[in-house]
Amino acid sequence: EVQLVESGGGLVKPGGSLRLSCAASGFTFNTYYMNWVRQAPGKGLEWVSSISSSSSFIFYADSMKGRFTISRDNARNSLYLQMNSLRAEDTAVYYCARAMYSSSAKVDYWGQGTLVTVSS
Amino acid sequence: DIQMTQSPSSLSASVGDRVTITCRASQDISDYLAWYQQKPGKAPKSLIYGASSLQSGVPSKFSGSGSGTDFSLTISGLQPEDFATYYCQQYDSYPITFGQGTRLEIK
Repeated sequence: EVQLVESGGGLVKPGGSLRLSCAASGFTFNTYYMNWVRQAPGKGLEWVSSISSSSSFIFYADSMKGRFTISRDNARNSLYLQMNSLRAEDTAVYYCARAMYSSSAKVDYWGQGTLVTVSS
Repeated sequence: DIQMTQSPSSLSASVGDRVTITCRASQDISDYLAWYQQKPGKAPKSLIYGASSLQSGVPSKFSGSGSGTDFSLTISGLQPEDFATYYCQQYDSYPITFGQGTRLEIK
């Protein structure tokens, strides 16, 4: 059974940093693209970033470029999102999402999400 | 960036009804379109990819169609568990973009 479990969310002050993690199990992690998608309170889904299976290809939404860094550790079956220079508008639930095999952003499985709150 | 526009933004329907949600892309995305269902407080669930292919385990009451710029999601025989918010997403090119969502409510 595919499982994606996010952690690392919490309350952080504007300008601060946070590192999210996603522990994957139930599939061969090192063969799939992975994504982060977020959802601000009461709002829709917003794609954040994608990373290829070997980390060779990485993509970011413009509003996160230069502040967020996606990475993965295939030996640990883990996906990460390092978030720096956080702003109030980054407050959201962050979902880890697996792309279907041979796809980059066609999601088939989602984690339960982790809440990030940016507030003073 | 490719803009995805869903209509309607909200929809009221009764148990047993058949409903259709539309999604329009601002440029040709072939069939690189997915649909997701989200219930309050829960993670999204993947329903359809490739505009019309059902994800594993998704009942055939859900169907998708379209290509190019115009797409639709149809749900037949609505049941209480189908009342949720539905999102379309294009994965033709980066940045990946979602529609604003369609909230399906019980009449």
